[in-house]
Amino acid sequence: GQSLEQPSEVTAVEGAIVQINCTYQTSGFYGLSWYQQHDGGAPTFLSYNALDGLEETGRFSSFLSRSDSYGYLLLQELQMKDSASYFCAVRPSNYQLIWGAGTKLIIKP
Amino acid sequence: DTAVSQTPKYLVTQMGNDKSIKCEQNLGHDTMYWYKQDSKKFLKIMFSYNNKELIINETVPNRFSPKSPDKAHLNLHINSLELGDSAVYFCASSQGASGANVLTFGAGSRLTVL
Repeated sequence: GQSLEQPSEVTAVEGAIVQINCTYQTSGFYGLSWYQQHDGGAPTFLSYNALDGLEETGRFSSFLSRSDSYGYLLLQELQMKDSASYFCAVRPSNYQLIWGAGTKLIIKP
Repeated sequence: DTAVSQTPKYLVTQMGNDKSIKCEQNLGHDTMYWYKQDSKKFLKIMFSYNNKELIINETVPNRFSPKSPDKAHLNLHINSLELGDSAVYFCASSQGASGANVLTFGAGSRLTVL
């Protein structure tokens, strides 16, 4: 079967850096995406990696290693508003997206 | 200018009733999706349409019937509602076969079945 694994919960301190890992096992691979979802809100696209390496978008960066079937989302200079759930998702074929179960990020002042 | 809009935002109904959720996108995308998110926040794809053609039809009870009158609209009708149907239903859209990496979601429709 196809699956993605990510931690269920991560806790960090405001102003710090946190990394959320994602490992995947899928029949095909056409990119790893990250989404943010605040409580009561909709998932919002954050970033996407199709090739190995680091993609940076402001305070958020995403990394991919296809040989390790692994990626991570790095959040820097954490702010209280970053408290949310973060989902990784892999596209194994056209139109399909396989989702992780989400990581709840708790930020403490 | 809402990109993906779905209505209603909340539905509260009794078991056995029938309900519909409507979705519209103004992004010019050619692919639309219905997702179900349960209380544990797991996102499950239900259906996907590309240019009005059904392309993904996951294992979903046949009480759920999607309809896409055109590529900008995707509706979901649910017959004989059950308690287990209580969830948040999200509509989403993307562009092209490879565009599924980048989905734009609607705000969600929270369905509560009593």
